[in-house]
Amino acid sequence: QVQLIQSGAEVKKPGASVKVSCKTSGYIFTDWTMNWLRQAPGQRFEWMGWISGGNGGRKYSDKFQGRLTFTRDTSASTVSMELSSLRDEDTAVYYCARDGYSSGYFSDYWGQGTLVIVSS
Amino acid sequence: EIVLTQSPDTLSLSPGERATLSCRASQSVSVNSLAWYQQKPGQAPRLLIYATSYRATGIPLRFSASGAGTEFTLIISRLQPEDFGVYYCQQYGSSPQTFGQGTKVEVK
Repeated sequence: QVQLIQSGAEVKKPGASVKVSCKTSGYIFTDWTMNWLRQAPGQRFEWMGWISGGNGGRKYSDKFQGRLTFTRDTSASTVSMELSSLRDEDTAVYYCARDGYSSGYFSDYWGQGTLVIVSS
Repeated sequence: EIVLTQSPDTLSLSPGERATLSCRASQSVSVNSLAWYQQKPGQAPRLLIYATSYRATGIPLRFSASGAGTEFTLIISRLQPEDFGVYYCQQYGSSPQTFGQGTKVEVK
């Protein structure tokens, strides 16, 4: 069965960076794209972007203006998300979620979420 | 970006009752690119519906959805105990994809 297992919770200070990993299993990693989304406390889900498991192509939401980097390791069937210059408002649960169709569509399988707390 | 507004915010119903959830978009959703998710406390969202009306793998027949343009509806024909939670709509026809604020379906 498809599984996405994310790394554990993080506490960071403003200005630092955080890297969240997402290890996949149960499907052919290179055939699918991975979306990244987040949900801040009391806020809506926010799409951050996606990375192709096949060719490594990426698309980032304009909102993150160069602070965001997605990477993939095909040998480990793992994708990662790194967010830099953290601010208080980046406190959220971050999710990797497999794109159910192509790139930037709906998400059919989700990781369990990683809580990132940004606090001085 | 397209803003999705869900109504009502909270729906209080008993098991066995019918639930009707609404999702309204600020502009027309391209090619009916709308999905619905269910989320329970402490869990990740679960895909229920994509492309407006197609049930995802393993989703029971009591879940149905319809709509077009700016108005979309999710119906749960007879609520089961496991159906209580928060439901979100998502449009993915225009970038950035966006989500509604959620409708909480709670036990009356």
